[in-house]
Amino acid sequence: GAVVSQHPSRVICKSGTSVKIECRSLDFQATTMFWYRQFPKQSLMLMATSNEGSKATYEQGVEKDKFLINHASLTLSTLTVTSAHPEDSSFYICSATLETQYFGPGTRLLVL
Amino acid sequence: KNQVEQSPQSLIILEGKNCTLQCNYTVSPFSNLRWYKQDTGRGPVSLTIMTFSENTKSNGRYTATLDADTKQSSLHITASQLSDSASYICVVSQEAGTALIFGKGTTLSVSS
Repeated sequence: GAVVSQHPSRVICKSGTSVKIECRSLDFQATTMFWYRQFPKQSLMLMATSNEGSKATYEQGVEKDKFLINHASLTLSTLTVTSAHPEDSSFYICSATLETQYFGPGTRLLVL
Repeated sequence: KNQVEQSPQSLIILEGKNCTLQCNYTVSPFSNLRWYKQDTGRGPVSLTIMTFSENTKSNGRYTATLDADTKQSSLHITASQLSDSASYICVVSQEAGTALIFGKGTTLSVSS
């Protein structure tokens, strides 16, 4: 099946710094990728839809200036958490669509 | 309002036993329904995907059913194994390429 990778798998950073998370579709091209956030014991919450070559579409309540999304190519989307704070600590998951949605393994972010 | 409800919230069974997880949805229009398995700290992995016209689909020991009239789905796990311990998420899609609507998941614990 199709493979979606994320990097890094885990990151710890200080409050106020920015963190970039990469999402790659390894063996297929994806014009659309999705970014989700998942808090402990909660379901995945869609943050934004990343469209190759155009601006991302953000869900209500998600700050676009805080969560910067860049879909530079058909196989790569990046999520940058700017000026991270402890409340941004979460599990971030991306997905890419090829007939069905394939999810990446997730990135655990811990902001101290 | 488009919603996906899952039950039970959590379930504990003995290794080797069977179990059935339930999913009710109020999503319209409807394109397909998917069941995902999510291990702790990992991204969701697709188990089955069913469209409106499909009533049942199997993937090894996992069998999903869909009743599009009553808008109900179930996931039956046969001869459970310890490795089946995970969160099982029911997800409904409205149309291809759009964001998914997630249930909150059922946490299954298989004990020896």
